[in-house]
Amino acid sequence: EPEVTQTPSHQVTQMGQEVILRCVPISNHLYFYWYRQILGQKVEFLVSFYNNEISEKSEIFDDQFSVERPDGSNFTLKIRSTKLEDSAMYFCASSERVGALHFGNGTRLTVT
Amino acid sequence: AQKITQTQPGMFVQEKEAVTLDCTYDTSDQSYGLFWYKQPSSGEMIFLIYQGSYDEQNATEGRYSLNFQKARKSANLVISASQLGDSAMYFCAMREGRGFKTIFGAGTRLFVKA
Repeated sequence: EPEVTQTPSHQVTQMGQEVILRCVPISNHLYFYWYRQILGQKVEFLVSFYNNEISEKSEIFDDQFSVERPDGSNFTLKIRSTKLEDSAMYFCASSERVGALHFGNGTRLTVT
Repeated sequence: AQKITQTQPGMFVQEKEAVTLDCTYDTSDQSYGLFWYKQPSSGEMIFLIYQGSYDEQNATEGRYSLNFQKARKSANLVISASQLGDSAMYFCAMREGRGFKTIFGAGTRLFVKA
């Protein structure tokens, strides 16, 4: 069964550094998303991406965040200058249409 | 205001019994979708079941069924014949209208006892 793959599985970075989280969505999916889950808390929407542009974003997704689909397969989330409170599990998801999300296994980001 | 409310932080069920996980939602849209996801201790998010607001019948997927009561704005998940592997966190979620965002509830942690 096709799946969403995320790399790395765990990223440790120092406060103020830039990080790029990578995702390969399911190949025939058209909608891409990033969510995050701070340890033990609810899953929060960050951004959705469709037709090569951001279709919707949350208040969390400020100027420190950006997304890109640099080629036909990868979908990346960049955090320009990480803060301690950015420590979380970041999930990439994709969907064939606006509907059920297929999640990757997540990248655990630890900011020290 | 909370859009998705899961009032049970934790639930216990005996193996082979059925369990209902509660979910209520709040929306003024006529068109919306309701979802349940499972998150085992390993951390991945697994899609379980979907119910559209215009669907007249309750959704079912194997041992999972969604008890959809539109007037009460509830979308409870029923797991029949619980298995030890069902022990996990369960999230109810909603997507409104033609929006792209799916909103998640706080989750219910289910413990299945042998």
